[in-house]
Amino acid sequence: DTAVSQTPKYLVTQMGNDKSIKCEQNLGHDTMYWYKQDSKKFLKIMFSYNNKELIINETVPNRFSPKSPDKAHLNLHINSLELGDSAVYFCASSLRGGNQPQHFGDGTRLSIL
Amino acid sequence: GENVEQHPSTLSVQEGDSAVIKCTYSDSASNYFPWYKQELGKRPQLIIDIRSNVGEKKDQRIAVTLNKTAKHFSLHITETQPEDSAVYFCAASGAGGYQKVTFGTGTKLQVIP
Repeated sequence: DTAVSQTPKYLVTQMGNDKSIKCEQNLGHDTMYWYKQDSKKFLKIMFSYNNKELIINETVPNRFSPKSPDKAHLNLHINSLELGDSAVYFCASSLRGGNQPQHFGDGTRLSIL
Repeated sequence: GENVEQHPSTLSVQEGDSAVIKCTYSDSASNYFPWYKQELGKRPQLIIDIRSNVGEKKDQRIAVTLNKTAKHFSLHITETQPEDSAVYFCAASGAGGYQKVTFGTGTKLQVIP
Protein backbone atom coordinates (compact mmCIF):
# COMPACT_ATOMS: atom_id res chain seq x y z
CA ASP A 1 0.00 0.00 0.00
CA THR A 2 1.42 3.38 -1.02
CA ALA A 3 1.73 5.59 2.04
CA VAL A 4 1.59 8.95 0.23
CA SER A 5 0.07 8.83 -3.22
CA GLN A 6 -0.09 11.64 -5.76
CA THR A 7 -1.96 11.85 -9.02
CA PRO A 8 -1.20 12.35 -11.76
CA LYS A 9 2.42 11.25 -12.03
CA TYR A 10 2.95 13.29 -15.19
CA LEU A 11 1.17 16.43 -16.35
CA VAL A 12 1.90 18.02 -19.71
CA THR A 13 -0.14 21.09 -20.54
CA GLN A 14 -0.06 24.43 -22.27
CA MET A 15 0.65 27.83 -20.82
CA GLY A 16 -2.44 29.54 -19.46
CA ASN A 17 -4.28 26.34 -18.54
CA ASP A 18 -5.53 25.42 -15.06
CA LYS A 19 -4.56 22.08 -13.50
CA SER A 20 -4.89 20.19 -10.23
CA ILE A 21 -2.71 17.66 -8.43
CA LYS A 22 -4.16 15.39 -5.77
CA CYS A 23 -2.46 13.90 -2.76
CA GLU A 24 -3.62 11.36 -0.21
CA GLN A 25 -1.84 9.75 2.74
CA ASN A 26 -2.86 6.65 4.69
CA LEU A 27 -0.29 7.00 7.48
CA GLY A 28 -2.64 8.68 9.94
CA HIS A 29 -0.48 11.83 9.86
CA ASP A 30 -2.03 15.19 10.64
CA THR A 31 0.40 17.44 8.74
CA MET A 32 0.79 17.58 4.97
CA TYR A 33 3.05 19.60 2.70
CA TRP A 34 3.61 20.65 -0.89
CA TYR A 35 7.15 21.07 -2.17
CA LYS A 36 8.46 22.26 -5.52
CA GLN A 37 11.67 20.76 -6.89
CA ASP A 38 13.13 22.70 -9.78
CA SER A 39 15.60 21.59 -12.44
CA LYS A 40 18.51 22.23 -10.08
CA LYS A 41 16.93 19.79 -7.62
CA PHE A 42 16.31 22.44 -4.94
CA LEU A 43 13.44 21.42 -2.62
CA LYS A 44 11.32 24.41 -1.64
CA ILE A 45 8.38 24.28 0.75
CA MET A 46 5.25 25.84 -0.69
CA PHE A 47 2.49 25.07 1.80
CA SER A 48 1.84 23.09 4.94
CA TYR A 49 -1.47 22.10 6.49
CA ASN A 50 -2.19 20.68 9.90
CA ASN A 51 -5.61 19.10 10.41
CA LYS A 52 -6.97 20.98 7.40
CA GLU A 53 -5.61 24.31 8.64
CA LEU A 54 -3.01 26.25 6.63
CA ILE A 55 0.06 26.77 8.81
CA ILE A 56 2.83 27.55 6.33
CA ASN A 57 2.40 29.62 3.21
CA GLU A 58 5.69 30.53 1.61
CA THR A 59 6.06 33.25 -0.99
CA VAL A 60 4.05 31.47 -3.63
CA PRO A 61 2.05 33.24 -6.37
CA ASN A 62 -1.65 33.28 -5.57
CA ARG A 63 -2.20 31.29 -8.77
CA PHE A 64 -1.39 28.33 -6.51
CA SER A 65 -4.24 27.39 -4.19
CA PRO A 66 -4.04 24.41 -1.87
CA LYS A 67 -7.11 22.73 -0.46
CA SER A 68 -7.35 20.21 2.35
CA PRO A 69 -10.82 18.62 2.58
CA ASP A 70 -9.63 16.43 5.47
CA LYS A 71 -6.34 15.65 7.16
CA ALA A 72 -5.62 12.74 4.80
CA HIS A 73 -5.89 14.81 1.62
CA LEU A 74 -4.10 17.88 0.31
CA ASN A 75 -4.72 19.01 -3.24
CA LEU A 76 -2.99 21.72 -5.24
CA HIS A 77 -4.73 23.76 -7.89
CA ILE A 78 -2.73 25.96 -10.23
CA ASN A 79 -4.34 28.67 -12.36
CA SER A 80 -2.95 30.28 -15.50
CA LEU A 81 0.09 28.04 -15.74
CA GLU A 82 3.40 29.68 -16.71
CA LEU A 83 6.61 28.25 -18.15
CA GLY A 84 8.35 28.77 -14.80
CA ASP A 85 5.89 26.41 -13.13
CA SER A 86 7.58 23.46 -14.83
CA ALA A 87 9.00 21.35 -12.00
CA VAL A 88 8.38 18.24 -9.96
CA TYR A 89 5.84 18.79 -7.20
CA PHE A 90 6.09 16.57 -4.13
CA CYS A 91 3.45 16.01 -1.53
CA ALA A 92 4.62 14.88 1.91
CA SER A 93 3.14 14.13 5.30
CA SER A 94 4.34 13.83 8.87
CA LEU A 95 3.12 13.65 12.40
CA ARG A 96 2.46 17.01 14.01
CA GLY A 97 4.78 19.82 12.98
CA GLY A 98 8.16 20.10 11.30
CA ASN A 99 10.17 18.16 13.85
CA GLN A 100 9.14 14.75 12.59
CA PRO A 101 10.26 12.62 9.63
CA GLN A 102 8.44 13.43 6.44
CA HIS A 103 7.13 10.81 4.03
CA PHE A 104 7.09 11.92 0.42
CA GLY A 105 4.90 10.92 -2.47
CA ASP A 106 6.41 9.89 -5.80
CA GLY A 107 6.05 13.38 -7.25
CA THR A 108 4.15 14.92 -10.14
CA ARG A 109 6.27 16.07 -13.05
CA LEU A 110 4.61 19.16 -14.52
CA SER A 111 5.75 20.27 -17.96
CA ILE A 112 4.44 23.47 -19.50
CA LEU A 113 4.57 23.73 -23.29
CA GLY B 1 14.29 32.62 8.85
CA GLU B 2 16.44 29.51 8.82
CA ASN B 3 19.18 29.19 6.20
CA VAL B 4 20.86 25.83 5.53
CA GLU B 5 24.05 25.60 3.50
CA GLN B 6 25.28 22.26 2.19
CA HIS B 7 28.68 21.26 0.78
CA PRO B 8 29.92 19.89 -1.50
CA SER B 9 27.37 20.10 -4.30
CA THR B 10 28.91 17.07 -6.01
CA LEU B 11 31.07 14.31 -4.62
CA SER B 12 32.71 11.36 -6.38
CA VAL B 13 34.27 8.52 -4.39
CA GLN B 14 35.62 5.09 -5.19
CA GLU B 15 33.56 2.17 -4.04
CA GLY B 16 34.60 1.22 -0.53
CA ASP B 17 35.78 4.71 0.39
CA SER B 18 34.01 7.01 2.84
CA ALA B 19 31.91 10.05 1.93
CA VAL B 20 31.25 13.09 4.10
CA ILE B 21 28.64 15.77 3.46
CA LYS B 22 28.54 18.90 5.60
CA CYS B 23 25.75 21.33 6.44
CA THR B 24 25.55 24.53 8.44
CA TYR B 25 22.42 26.22 9.75
CA SER B 26 21.71 29.73 10.97
CA ASP B 27 18.87 29.47 13.51
CA SER B 28 20.18 28.44 16.92
CA ALA B 29 16.61 27.38 17.84
CA SER B 30 16.71 24.56 15.28
CA ASN B 31 16.62 21.22 17.04
CA TYR B 32 15.79 18.57 14.44
CA PHE B 33 18.16 17.61 11.62
CA PRO B 34 17.03 14.96 9.12
CA TRP B 35 18.89 13.64 6.09
CA TYR B 36 17.07 12.52 2.96
CA LYS B 37 18.33 10.44 0.05
CA GLN B 38 16.82 10.93 -3.40
CA GLU B 39 17.66 8.43 -6.11
CA LEU B 40 17.28 9.50 -9.73
CA GLY B 41 13.64 9.96 -10.61
CA LYS B 42 12.47 8.89 -7.17
CA ARG B 43 11.09 10.56 -4.07
CA PRO B 44 13.25 11.81 -1.17
CA GLN B 45 13.44 9.27 1.63
CA LEU B 46 14.60 9.76 5.19
CA ILE B 47 17.79 7.85 5.92
CA ILE B 48 18.76 9.18 9.34
CA ASP B 49 17.91 12.05 11.65
CA ILE B 50 19.31 13.58 14.81
CA ARG B 51 17.90 15.81 17.51
CA SER B 52 19.76 18.54 19.33
CA ASN B 53 20.13 16.59 22.57
CA VAL B 54 22.35 14.04 20.80
CA GLY B 55 25.83 14.60 19.34
CA GLU B 56 26.10 11.53 17.14
CA LYS B 57 23.87 8.80 15.76
CA LYS B 58 24.76 5.71 13.74
CA ASP B 59 22.80 3.28 11.62
CA GLN B 60 24.97 0.61 10.03
CA ARG B 61 27.15 2.37 7.44
CA ILE B 62 25.73 5.84 7.94
CA ALA B 63 26.26 8.24 10.81
CA VAL B 64 25.37 11.83 11.55
CA THR B 65 27.24 14.19 13.86
CA LEU B 66 25.94 17.47 15.26
CA ASN B 67 27.88 20.40 16.70
CA LYS B 68 25.31 22.83 18.12
CA THR B 69 27.92 25.36 19.19
CA ALA B 70 29.25 25.68 15.67
CA LYS B 71 25.81 25.11 14.14
CA HIS B 72 26.91 22.41 11.77
CA PHE B 73 26.09 18.77 11.18
CA SER B 74 27.53 16.13 8.89
CA LEU B 75 26.58 12.88 7.20
CA HIS B 76 29.19 10.14 7.06
CA ILE B 77 28.84 7.11 4.80
CA THR B 78 31.44 4.37 5.20
CA GLU B 79 32.26 1.53 2.81
CA THR B 80 30.34 3.21 0.02
CA GLN B 81 28.55 1.06 -2.54
CA PRO B 82 27.21 1.91 -6.02
CA GLU B 83 23.66 1.92 -4.64
CA ASP B 84 24.65 4.84 -2.40
CA SER B 85 24.79 7.01 -5.55
CA ALA B 86 22.01 9.59 -5.17
CA VAL B 87 21.34 13.19 -4.16
CA TYR B 88 21.48 13.73 -0.42
CA PHE B 89 19.66 16.59 1.32
CA CYS B 90 20.24 17.84 4.82
CA ALA B 91 17.52 19.81 6.58
CA ALA B 92 16.89 21.71 9.77
CA SER B 93 13.76 22.70 11.65
CA GLY B 94 13.15 24.77 14.77
CA ALA B 95 11.50 24.23 18.06
CA GLY B 96 7.76 24.26 18.48
CA GLY B 97 4.95 22.50 16.77
CA TYR B 98 4.85 23.82 13.23
CA GLN B 99 8.27 25.13 12.35
CA LYS B 100 8.94 24.48 8.70
CA VAL B 101 11.76 22.24 7.58
CA THR B 102 14.41 24.08 5.57
CA PHE B 103 16.37 21.93 3.14
CA GLY B 104 19.96 22.29 2.03
CA THR B 105 20.73 22.55 -1.67
CA GLY B 106 21.66 18.89 -2.06
CA THR B 107 24.83 16.87 -2.71
CA LYS B 108 25.05 14.58 -5.70
CA LEU B 109 27.09 11.58 -4.62
CA GLN B 110 28.56 9.30 -7.25
CA VAL B 111 30.16 6.04 -6.14
CA ILE B 112 32.50 4.72 -8.80
CA PRO B 113 32.70 0.90 -8.95
